[in-house]
Amino acid sequence: DIQMTQSPSSLSASVGDRVTITCQASHDISKYLNWYQQKPGKAPKLLISEASDLQTGVPSRFSGSGSGTHFTFTISSLQPEDIATYYCQQYDNFPRTFGPGTKVDIK
Amino acid sequence: QVQLQESGPGLVKPSETLSLTCSVSGDSISSYYWSWIRQPPGKGLEWIGYIYYTGNTNYNPSLKSRVTMSVDTSNNQFSLKLSSVTTADTAVYYCARGRSIHRYWGQGTLVTVSS
Repeated sequence: DIQMTQSPSSLSASVGDRVTITCQASHDISKYLNWYQQKPGKAPKLLISEASDLQTGVPSRFSGSGSGTHFTFTISSLQPEDIATYYCQQYDNFPRTFGPGTKVDIK
Repeated sequence: QVQLQESGPGLVKPSETLSLTCSVSGDSISSYYWSWIRQPPGKGLEWIGYIYYTGNTNYNPSLKSRVTMSVDTSNNQFSLKLSSVTTADTAVYYCARGRSIHRYWGQGTLVTVSS
């Protein structure tokens, strides 16, 4: 299985701050990486696919980059509604695997 | 508008079989792959597997010996069976569209394994 790691596991930032989350794959997954946002009690929501493709309707303050084994997810200006846990997920190999998540809070 | 809805018992006894169904509306089940993903309380996401309308499946090796997925094209539904459950199978179970990129998800259903 491809192991996915994320850092940090949690962070606290102020409204308007730039927030960056990293995701590392144990093997080269090219650009086959998704980012999801999950709010408490809700299903995950797809934000970004193929490492950097922003889904329709997702605010442009969200972005993703990277390829191979190292990926980043950025919120350019944190908003109160961005409080959530963020997960990366690889789809280069089976079984599909998710990172452990990064919990984002408002300071 | 694509909608998915999980249904099934919320409580299953240890050693028994967990059975869930996902009803799909706004989409033909014959057009996409369909997946099951679960999340133990307070923990991360685990991919269980996918099924195509032809019956083609791919299961997570960690669960493969206990998982069976099926599809009912006439009712636009697909199903999950997980046998010999233990308390470790307690989780919110989600159905989702796709085998790689999951744009649409059900709301999730909590299944508790307890005697």
